[in-house]
Amino acid sequence: DIQLTQSPSFLSACVGDRVTITCRASQGISSYLAWYQQKPGKAPKLLIYAASTLQSGVPSRFSGSGSGTEFTLTISSLQPEDFATYYCQQLDNFPITFGQGTRLEIK
Amino acid sequence: QVQLQESGPGLVKPSETLSLTCTVSGGSISSYYWSWIRQPPGKGPEWIGYIFYSGSTNFNPSLKTRVTISVDTSQNQFSLKVSSVTAADTAVYYCAGLRDYYYMDVWGKGTTVTVSS
Repeated sequence: DIQLTQSPSFLSACVGDRVTITCRASQGISSYLAWYQQKPGKAPKLLIYAASTLQSGVPSRFSGSGSGTEFTLTISSLQPEDFATYYCQQLDNFPITFGQGTRLEIK
Repeated sequence: QVQLQESGPGLVKPSETLSLTCTVSGGSISSYYWSWIRQPPGKGPEWIGYIFYSGSTNFNPSLKTRVTISVDTSQNQFSLKVSSVTAADTAVYYCAGLRDYYYMDVWGKGTTVTVSS
């Protein structure tokens, strides 16, 4: 199985901050990476797919980059509704796997 | 737009079979690879497997021996069975649509399944 390691696991930031979350894959996955946002008691919501393509309806402050084994999710200016847990997901090889998550909290 | 709704018992006894159904509305059942994902309390999601409307399937090897996924195109539903459950199978179970092996852009709200006697 392909392991995805997110860093940091926990992030404390302020409204308006720029934050970056990293996802590293245990082997190359081309650009078959997606990012999801999950709020408590809710299903994950797709933000980014194919490493850098913004899902329709997602604010442009979210962006993704990377290929191969290292990927990043950047939020350019944090808004109150962005405080949540973020997961990366690889779809290059089965089984599909997720990172362990990054919990983003208000400082 | 496509909407998904999970249904099934919220409590299952150890060693029994967990059974869930996902109903697809607002779109064609042929448009996605229909997946099941679960999320134990406080942990990240785990992909269980998928089924295409044609009946082709793919499973996570960690669960493959205990999992069955089926589809009923006439009812616009697909189902999950996990046999011989233990407390480790306690989780929120989601159904989701996997599109073109690129992403999951439609999810059900999730249903909590607890394994306990």
